[in-house]
Amino acid sequence: AQKVTQAQTEISVVEKEDVTLDCVYETRDTTYYLFWYKQPPSGELVFLIRRNSFDEQNEISGRYSWNFQKSTSSFNFTITASQVVDSAVYFCALSEDSGGYQKVTFGTGTKLQVIP
Amino acid sequence: ETGVTQTPRHLVMGMTNKKSLKCEQHLGHNAMYWYKQSAKKPLELMFVYNFKEQTENNSVPSRFSPECPNSSHLFLHLHTLQPEDSALYLCASSPPSTGLFDSPLHFGNGTRLTVT
Repeated sequence: AQKVTQAQTEISVVEKEDVTLDCVYETRDTTYYLFWYKQPPSGELVFLIRRNSFDEQNEISGRYSWNFQKSTSSFNFTITASQVVDSAVYFCALSEDSGGYQKVTFGTGTKLQVIP
Repeated sequence: ETGVTQTPRHLVMGMTNKKSLKCEQHLGHNAMYWYKQSAKKPLELMFVYNFKEQTENNSVPSRFSPECPNSSHLFLHLHTLQPEDSALYLCASSPPSTGLFDSPLHFGNGTRLTVT
C-alpha cells in the first residue's frame, strides 16, 4: 500500500525566512509520480510540481525548490524568502497510473503560517 | 477560475435531509473524483469516474451516492448523513494518463458540509 508522511503538522516562520516542508513516501511500484499541492484558505488545491520516479533531478522555480531523493524516499519542498502569500496548507502526494485515471495518496498536509 | 466548479460552497443539513453536491468541469478531462477532507486527516478518495464509468468506490457508506451523467458533470447525492460526515468535499478532474508524465489533478473550491 502507498503511504505519504508529512511529519510537520504546522510551521510558523517570519517573513523572508526560508522554510522546508518534508515529505516521505512509501510505495512498491517502480513507476510512480510525486506531487506538491498548495491549499490556500479559499479551499481548492493548486498544483505546484510533479516528478516521476525516473527523474531525480532537483528543480527550482522562482522561490520554490524541490529535492527528490529516491534513496531516502523523500520529496522535500523549500520556499526561499517566504512571503505572507505563501501561508497555506501544503500537501505532498503520490500517484500511480491505474489505466486512464490516477490513484493518488495524499499526506496529511503541513500548515504553513508566514508572519509579517 | 479553477476550471472545476463546485456548488454549493457551503451546505448545512440535518441528518434526515437529502441534498446533492454538484461538480462541473469544462477542461475536456475524462476522469472525475470525489475526495473528502476532514480535519487532521489525509484527503480520502471516495469515488472515481473514468469516461462516465465508476472505477473506484473506496468502501464509502451507501448514504453517499455518486452520479456521473457525462464526463463534464459529477454529483454526490447525500441522505441520512451523520455528524461525522461534516467535512470539505472536493471534486477533481484529470485528463487521460499519458504514461510517464501524469497530469495533475485539477480541484474545485470544495463544498463545506455541516451535518447537524
